[in-house]
Amino acid sequence: KAGVTQTPRYLIKTRGQQVTLSCSPISGHRSVSWYQQTPGQGLQFLFEYFSETQRNKGNFPGRFSGRQFSNSRSEMNVSTLELGDSALYLCASSLLNYEQYFGPGTRLTVT
Amino acid sequence: AQSVTQPDIHITVSEGASLELRCNYSYGATPYLFWYVQSPGQGLQLLLKYFSGDTLVQGIKGFEAEFKRSQSSFNLRKPSVHWRDAAEYFCAVGANTGNQFYFGTGTSLTVIP
Repeated sequence: KAGVTQTPRYLIKTRGQQVTLSCSPISGHRSVSWYQQTPGQGLQFLFEYFSETQRNKGNFPGRFSGRQFSNSRSEMNVSTLELGDSALYLCASSLLNYEQYFGPGTRLTVT
Repeated sequence: AQSVTQPDIHITVSEGASLELRCNYSYGATPYLFWYVQSPGQGLQLLLKYFSGDTLVQGIKGFEAEFKRSQSSFNLRKPSVHWRDAAEYFCAVGANTGNQFYFGTGTSLTVIP
């Protein structure tokens, strides 16, 4: 069974731009969570989607948003990019609560 | 509020030596606990998990972890480390409202040949 895939793997954007990252979960998994990983803050939870509805949300500004489609694929969007948004963005999918499988991540660099 | 502490930022061990990575958690109810490993430039791979029952859990790659409620700990162990085990290790606790995990800051493992 294919794992979690994330596209693109690497991205370079300029301050003020917006970006959309994509995540395809493992087949059959209906929950998708997003995390931001930075050297200073570590791994921080952004939000979780389950059956197209946001089920949990972390403590990030409204510039960070997401959505989930009927096929469980998810996208996250960051608007008005700041230098501090440079990070590895990880997506995780889950069939059951509390067992998450992570993708390889998207490395976002904001210049 | 849930939180996880990994006291050791970096650990160096010789190949073949035993390993123990420490993890302490704070959680008001029965915790769901996890250990993940991350190789450079990669995502996180689940090593093992604890939900309930036997407090000693076995995982992949020869790892095990022991849940000790009295000490609020979930330490990861391996009897004999291989050079391929060099990576970053993360302990996590699951919230009780879906798939919202709280991660520790990680322990970087270096293995000396």
